[in-house]
Amino acid sequence: GEDVEQSLFLSVREGDSSVINCTYTDSSSTYLYWYKQEPGAGLQLLTYIFSNMDMKQDQRLTVLLNKKDKHLSLRIADTQTGDSAIYFCAEKSGGSYIPTFGRGTSLIVHP
Amino acid sequence: ETGVTQSPTHLIKTRGQQVTLRCSSQSGHNTVSWYQQALGQGPQFIFQYYREEENGRGNFPPRFSGLQFPNYSSELNVNALELDDSALYLCASSFSGRPAGELFFGEGSRLTVL
Repeated sequence: GEDVEQSLFLSVREGDSSVINCTYTDSSSTYLYWYKQEPGAGLQLLTYIFSNMDMKQDQRLTVLLNKKDKHLSLRIADTQTGDSAIYFCAEKSGGSYIPTFGRGTSLIVHP
Repeated sequence: ETGVTQSPTHLIKTRGQQVTLRCSSQSGHNTVSWYQQALGQGPQFIFQYYREEENGRGNFPPRFSGLQFPNYSSELNVNALELDDSALYLCASSFSGRPAGELFFGEGSRLTVL
C-alpha cells in the first residue's frame, strides 16, 4: 500500500531557509501536495505538484520532486515565526482519488 | 466565498455513546471527505461522499457512517464510541472536476471519549 514518510521535527532560525523532506513509495503517484496545519486548526493547502514536473515555485515556497528516488521537498525561503506549524506531505496515485498523508513535520522557527 | 465549516468544535462523550458531526462544504464543491487525525498523527481517510453516495472508504469499521445532502453538506456518525475514537475529525470539500483534487479543510471537530 501507499506510504508517506516525513521526519517529525525541524528547527530553524528566523530568516534562514527551511527544507522539509518527504519520501513516498507509490511509483504511480500523480499529484503530490504540501499542507500546513497551525495549532488547533484544520489543514491548509500550500501547494501541489504534478508528477511530470521537477520543480514548482510559488513566492517563498519551492517544491522539488525527484520521481526516481520518490522524494519530495518543500523549501521555505526567509522563514518567519508565522511559518511555525506542522507541514504534511500527501500523495495521490493514478488509481485513487484519495490522497494519503504523512505524519507531518513540526517546523519550529526561533528568533 | 464561504469556506468549510464544521460543528461542533469540541465535544465529550462516553464509551458506547453515539455522535454526529456536521460539515458544510465550500461553495462550488460537490465532494466531501472525512478524515480522523489522532494526536501526533497525519489525517487518516475515513470515507468520501459524491452525489450523496459513499465514493470510497478507508480502513474504518461500519460503525463509522456518513451522509451527504443535496446541498453537499455532510454528516459523520460514529456509533458505539470507543476510547480510541478520541481524535480531531476533519471534513474536507473538493470539486470533482479538478484533476488535482485539492482538498479544503474545515477547522475540525475535536472528540474526546471518556
